[in-house]
Amino acid sequence: GAGVSQSPRYKVAKRGQDVALRCDPISGHVSLFWYQQALGQGPEFLTYFQNEAQLDKSGLPSDRFFAERPEGSVSTLKIQRTQQEDSAVYLCASSLVGAGTTNSNQPQHFGDGTRLSIL
Amino acid sequence: GNSVTQMEGPVTLSEEAFLTINCTYTATGYPSLFWYVQYPGEGLQLLLKATKADDKGSNKGFEATYRKETTSFHLEKGSVQVSDSAVYFCALRPPSGTYKYIFGTGTRLKVLA
Repeated sequence: GAGVSQSPRYKVAKRGQDVALRCDPISGHVSLFWYQQALGQGPEFLTYFQNEAQLDKSGLPSDRFFAERPEGSVSTLKIQRTQQEDSAVYLCASSLVGAGTTNSNQPQHFGDGTRLSIL
Repeated sequence: GNSVTQMEGPVTLSEEAFLTINCTYTATGYPSLFWYVQYPGEGLQLLLKATKADDKGSNKGFEATYRKETTSFHLEKGSVQVSDSAVYFCALRPPSGTYKYIFGTGTRLKVLA
């Protein structure tokens, strides 16, 4: 597609349920980032993939959060046993080149996000 | 550590007014600096960037100059339009060796007709 696509746009879940959020990056983009954006705040880094390799997951808040990108394209962010504090917008971004390369200042292209509400 | 501080909003202006949104940063070395804009219900869009000291990024009438001496990257526009109403985020990417972008908390701009 032309841009980064995220689904679903909105997700409501009861506390304790598991959720899965999907990100379709721009075709051919090497880098993929997940961010968490709380209401009225800026995005906070969660994790980074270079192709299928998860190079950094230091931003994941707890072991309930898990992300994968098995074929180096589509990525899924999974949250197990959701808590109310997980309510936020989850943003995915992709970038053409690897973050450690010479042109790593290539811009990140963001999806519209998934708004997750935990009741 | 690395951080970005933005002026708090909302900033409310009349159409055609001059805009300044302040951004200062803390970082070791020479980070790259960015301004992103977020319209309601949408993701962030890159507005402009600067990768070294004294660089000026510009796009759609917006400008920002990378000032190493004051560790600032203030966003300016000479004449705002109603369609500029959005949330603006200042961000930095630390020098090579890391890819963790650090975002400010955002500044909401409201432009009145």
